Amino acid sequence: RKEVEQDPGPFNVPEGATVAFNCTYSNSASQSFFWYRQDCRKEPKLLMSVYSSGNEDGRFTAQLNRASQYISLLIRDSKLSDSATYLCVVPRYNDMRFGAGTRLTVKP
Amino acid sequence: EAGVAQSPRYKIIEKRQSVAFWCNPISGHATLYWYQQILGQGPKLLIQFQNNGVVDDSQLPKDRFSAERLKGVDSTLKIQPAKLEDSAVYLCASSLSPTGELFFGEGSRLTVL
Repeated sequence: RKEVEQDPGPFNVPEGATVAFNCTYSNSASQSFFWYRQDCRKEPKLLMSVYSSGNEDGRFTAQLNRASQYISLLIRDSKLSDSATYLCVVPRYNDMRFGAGTRLTVKP
Repeated sequence: EAGVAQSPRYKIIEKRQSVAFWCNPISGHATLYWYQQILGQGPKLLIQFQNNGVVDDSQLPKDRFSAERLKGVDSTLKIQPAKLEDSAVYLCASSLSPTGELFFGEGSRLTVL
């Protein structure tokens, strides 16, 4: 099992749609998790941190299921500007491991 | 506050040549990472420094890649000799702590011909 595994995508959704991505991880000792957003040909930037069962920030909700070792990212009312690659990041001991990313395209 | 600075932004070399990338992290950030991102893939950790000590370099191809952070601030990543498969974006990131938020530089895009 890969350390961090994400839905491969791509996800193509219309504006206003709700879309969810999943990320599974293998290190059961991980306590905190992150979602980063990466625009085309740009560097990754932090979108959300998840420290307990979940976190909500406006249209974005991240949930954590420790028993099944997965985290999810839900985007409600998708905007064109949400088009990007979403990277799941899981701390491993003293470093950070990235998933391969899930590409989202929001269409008019 | 200044972000993570990287240079050069772009570099094109022929295989078997050498190349060096430079990174200046955010002031006060003790942890510095070099990641390699191949097109269509997530960033892959090459090496992590805590101050000027190496925490993890298990995925660094040590026969051709080297990195240093001599004074615990700036870092350089060198590739010698380069191979075609080294074509990628090399991202430098820094953080206050090993599992804290990562702040990335804009990256150095390497093309090996």
